Amino acid sequence: NAGVTQTPKFQVLKTGQSMTLQCAQDMNHNSMYWYRQDPGMGLRLIYYSASEGTTDKGEVPNGYNVSRLNKREFSLRLESAAPSQTSVYFCASSPPGSRYQETQYFGPGTRLLVL
Amino acid sequence: GEDVEQSLFLSVREGDSSVINCTYTDSSSTYLYWYKQEPGAGLQLLTYIFSNMDMKQDQRLTVLLNKKDKHLSLRIADTQTGDSAIYFCAERSNTDKLIFGTGTRLQVFP
Repeated sequence: NAGVTQTPKFQVLKTGQSMTLQCAQDMNHNSMYWYRQDPGMGLRLIYYSASEGTTDKGEVPNGYNVSRLNKREFSLRLESAAPSQTSVYFCASSPPGSRYQETQYFGPGTRLLVL
Repeated sequence: GEDVEQSLFLSVREGDSSVINCTYTDSSSTYLYWYKQEPGAGLQLLTYIFSNMDMKQDQRLTVLLNKKDKHLSLRIADTQTGDSAIYFCAERSNTDKLIFGTGTRLQVFP
């Protein structure tokens, strides 16, 4: 199992450019998440998807869109990148349920710099 | 609203114990977690505690939970240089989402 994979690892964009961050998991998990990590602010939830075909806003959704393409893949799109979106982006997935084992598994992150 | 707070930095000597603290606000949290993030990597689950427990020990790790004060701590015994990382506490909200703290950067020096 590869777990949660993310592409690209690094990206530099100019203000106003668009891009899509890709995430895939091979653990047959129902739920998938996109977070951003900024210094001193921990991880903040951007969007999540509880199951294929559904998506919901998290804490900081403005400036982003998501697509749950199928059970494996959950993409994050920046339509018009802004310097405030410079961050490290993490994708995560989890199976359903409330037991301790059903925690979230994280990808390695995508480092995005918007100039 | 839900909020999780941690101190930003901790520096310890190799071989000493480290104690990383966390406070949270959501009294309905069912599980609380500690994650470790090594440089350039994603988060890895270290350990967890159920809200009806006071303490959990797992090898060099001890988790203490004071539910009355909404205070969680992680003690690492015999801290090694390989323990240098950022440690996040997280609470599981009643909507099954994880609320993360700001992270504590642990630096271990020889």
